[in-house]
Amino acid sequence: AQKITQTQPGMFVQEKEAVTLDCTYDTSDPSYGLFWYKQPSSGEMIFLIYQGSYDQQNATEGRYSLNFQKARKSANLVISASQLGDSAMYFCAMREFSGGYNKLIFGAGTRLAVHP
Amino acid sequence: ETGVTQTPRHLVMGMTNKKSLKCEQHLGHNAMYWYKQSAKKPLELMFVYSLEERVENNSVPSRFSPECPNSSHLFLHLHTLQPEDSALYLCASSRGTGGIYEQYFGPGTRLTVT
Repeated sequence: AQKITQTQPGMFVQEKEAVTLDCTYDTSDPSYGLFWYKQPSSGEMIFLIYQGSYDQQNATEGRYSLNFQKARKSANLVISASQLGDSAMYFCAMREFSGGYNKLIFGAGTRLAVHP
Repeated sequence: ETGVTQTPRHLVMGMTNKKSLKCEQHLGHNAMYWYKQSAKKPLELMFVYSLEERVENNSVPSRFSPECPNSSHLFLHLHTLQPEDSALYLCASSRGTGGIYEQYFGPGTRLTVT
């Protein structure tokens, strides 16, 4: 069963507007963590934001915020005031503890295009 | 610049060649990872090293052979690859594997097998 689902293969947004990238997850572990990464065309995966399952507040990091809805098992990334440099692939990932260590399970990604 | 470097950035090799990918992290981390990113597929974890000891081999064919001589360096030795092995190979590091630590990635090596 897919543990991380990103249903939007591609999204576009006008510069300076906000955009929401969807992510749903599946786990029976009460303690987990959710990550968002950005991958520009250069290939490097850049860590953006983290949300822990026990965190009381939604995570924010500059223009990035995470809309965490635990009951719905969703962790959507919100990018405010989009910039042309935000055009990239975005991956949602979940920390899974198995085999004695933590590893990241990634979704298929969403390609975001910011239009001027 | 995330503190994780990978060389080479691009590699073209024949199916009978032997080559190695190199990863180096300057972050003082104790865990290092190899991932494979193929077109239209999620990132696949290949190997995990913690304090230079391999803790995960995610059913990777033996034509991929990792080596971690110290906590700062990670290699992926390649031999007799297949065209379906063409992909972006990403290295990552993290503070450890026991806690919830973000992973820092290198720029990747774009591998083409001809």
